[in-house]
Amino acid sequence: ETGVTQTPRHLVMGMTNKKSLKCEQHLGHNAMYWYKQSAKKPLELMFVYNFKEQTENNSVPSRFSPECPNSSHLFLHLHTLQPEDSALYLCASSQWDRGLTGANVLTFGAGSRLTVL
Amino acid sequence: GQNIDQPTEMTATEGAIVQINCTYQTSGFNGLFWYQQHAGEAPTFLSYNVLDGLEEKGRFSSFLSRSKGYSYLLLKELQMKDSASYLCAVMDSNYQLIWGAGTKLIIKP
Repeated sequence: ETGVTQTPRHLVMGMTNKKSLKCEQHLGHNAMYWYKQSAKKPLELMFVYNFKEQTENNSVPSRFSPECPNSSHLFLHLHTLQPEDSALYLCASSQWDRGLTGANVLTFGAGSRLTVL
Repeated sequence: GQNIDQPTEMTATEGAIVQINCTYQTSGFNGLFWYQQHAGEAPTFLSYNVLDGLEEKGRFSSFLSRSKGYSYLLLKELQMKDSASYLCAVMDSNYQLIWGAGTKLIIKP
């Protein structure tokens, strides 16, 4: 496998369910990200892990819980979601280097389309 | 606040040229990125500008004017496969990426 892979590609869940999204990168990158993409809205950064440490949490509700067990894997645990959480959830990775901002190109996975009923 | 503006949708004809504009107001500037996203697929990197001027990469070019807070993506010899959304993003002084809502480009035969 190459690049960034996300599973599942589609997920339908009720408001009381607990599910997880999985992301795996095969690029040797040192940073991984969760983004939320809603129609006609800018990408919303949810979480960033740099060298496996969470460095950003942009006021994301606690019903979203990230986990980064190593530099290649990232999970987003979901529980008691709301219908407005329905969106495309994109995982991305990059080789973060503050001194080379142009090198911080994100490689995205194809996303997990989440529908909350 | 920080803001990126780009047109919601544009239509162009196969074989023609189209320019997608992006204007930004951000806290500092550490570069501007363009990504392409086909429907149902991952966004993919197109270009990066940090200095003023034009960067050319095959049929695609990207221009930056930092003094005007303005960039454009120029697509030449349009092909049907260029139908996609084009996302503009600026890295601010805190190395955060600020994203535009994307421009959906429709190519007609």
